[in-house]
Amino acid sequence: NAGVTQTPKFRILKIGQSMTLQCTQDMNHNYMYWYRQDPGMGLKLIYYSVGAGITDKGEVPNGYNVSRSTTEDFPLRLELAAPSQTSVYFCASKRLLLNTEAFFGQGTRLTVV
Amino acid sequence: AQTVTQSQPEMSVQEAETVTLSCTYDTSESNYYLFWYKQPPSRQMILVIRQEAYKQQNATENRFSVNFQKAAKSFSLKISDSQLGDTAMYFCAFMTGANSKLTFGKGITLSVRP
Repeated sequence: NAGVTQTPKFRILKIGQSMTLQCTQDMNHNYMYWYRQDPGMGLKLIYYSVGAGITDKGEVPNGYNVSRSTTEDFPLRLELAAPSQTSVYFCASKRLLLNTEAFFGQGTRLTVV
Repeated sequence: AQTVTQSQPEMSVQEAETVTLSCTYDTSESNYYLFWYKQPPSRQMILVIRQEAYKQQNATENRFSVNFQKAAKSFSLKISDSQLGDTAMYFCAFMTGANSKLTFGKGITLSVRP
């Protein structure tokens, strides 16, 4: 059981480039989330999804886009990368039952130079 | 809006002693759930303990327990008999039944000294 898989693990982007962070889960979870983690700032929610075809903005959605065409996949798209998007990105998934734990991917360390 | 506040950025404890990590939250909802997650240097997020708001009894998982004060909107984590492997960042998290957002605090860095 792979759980939540994020790719790539590391990436360096130049300012203005774009990329997609991939996230796949094999647990048939309805909820999926994208967070960014900056030092001293905790995890800030970028986007989340309650099921295929449904997405919503979190706290810090600007500069990002998502789609959820299947239950398994929840890619995060960065358009026109900026240095402020240098961060560690985590994808997570969760069952519908509210008291169940969220499962996290290993994170992607992204540097924009 | 729901918010989670962890006001202590870091703490240190001697091995085998007890430490308490603080967390407060704000919500107008009555149906919600609280979690503590641990993030060791490997970056992996690990669930430590969870608490349902409708349960008055404080959750306990081995050396980890919570002090849930619903009226004060406080959810602290107590670690007993601290071990070197407890050194990590700890995040308090919150989820309501009204929406599906899982909101985290800023985290606290805990160091266990040998």
